[in-house]
Amino acid sequence: GEDVEQSLFLSVREGDSSVINCTYTDSSSTYLYWYKQEPGAGLQLLTYIFSNMDMKQDQRLTVLLNKKDKHLSLRIADTQTGDSAIYFCASSSNTGKLIFGQGTTLQVKP
Amino acid sequence: EADIYQTPRYLVIGTGKKITLECSQTMGHDKMYWYQQDPGMELHLIHYSYGVNSTEKGDLSSESTVSRIRTEHFPLTLESARPSHTSQYLCASSEYADPNEKLFFGSGTQLSVL
Repeated sequence: GEDVEQSLFLSVREGDSSVINCTYTDSSSTYLYWYKQEPGAGLQLLTYIFSNMDMKQDQRLTVLLNKKDKHLSLRIADTQTGDSAIYFCASSSNTGKLIFGQGTTLQVKP
Repeated sequence: EADIYQTPRYLVIGTGKKITLECSQTMGHDKMYWYQQDPGMELHLIHYSYGVNSTEKGDLSSESTVSRIRTEHFPLTLESARPSHTSQYLCASSEYADPNEKLFFGSGTQLSVL
């Protein structure tokens, strides 16, 4: 079946940039998403990108999509302690459902 | 802010009990979903609904059942809870006509079966 893979853990210092990577297998994915989950909470949509785009920027967030390699990344500029959370990559499948990765835990050290 | 609510937030229950996890949304969304999430693991879709009286099983086999009698309400029921059902259960909804398929999630129910 279709799959989405992410590294499990990333640690950065406050003020540095964070880059979270994701690979997916479904070449027919129309949209790709980044969700954020804070402790004890549900997932919150951070941003998404349409598959015919290479890049999308939204304030401190930059999403890069390499459709050929099926690689998606999320860059957070000037990472803050409030950015500490689990970040989930997701792709839209041809059945209309989302497929989620395992989540990347971002730890921001002061 | 998403208006989707799950109760209870935490539930500890003994084996064999029947439980119902509640999920309600006030956004008028037609599509609703239940995901199961274990620590360090991806979300697994266990049930979804495209509208009233529509329910489908998801990608992960589950012994739970769901119902969709009203648009805003999508409860999940376990007839006889077992320790293997211990997990976090997340409810989500989206607009049927939204091509972006943006999901709005509740805060989750952490279920522990002893």
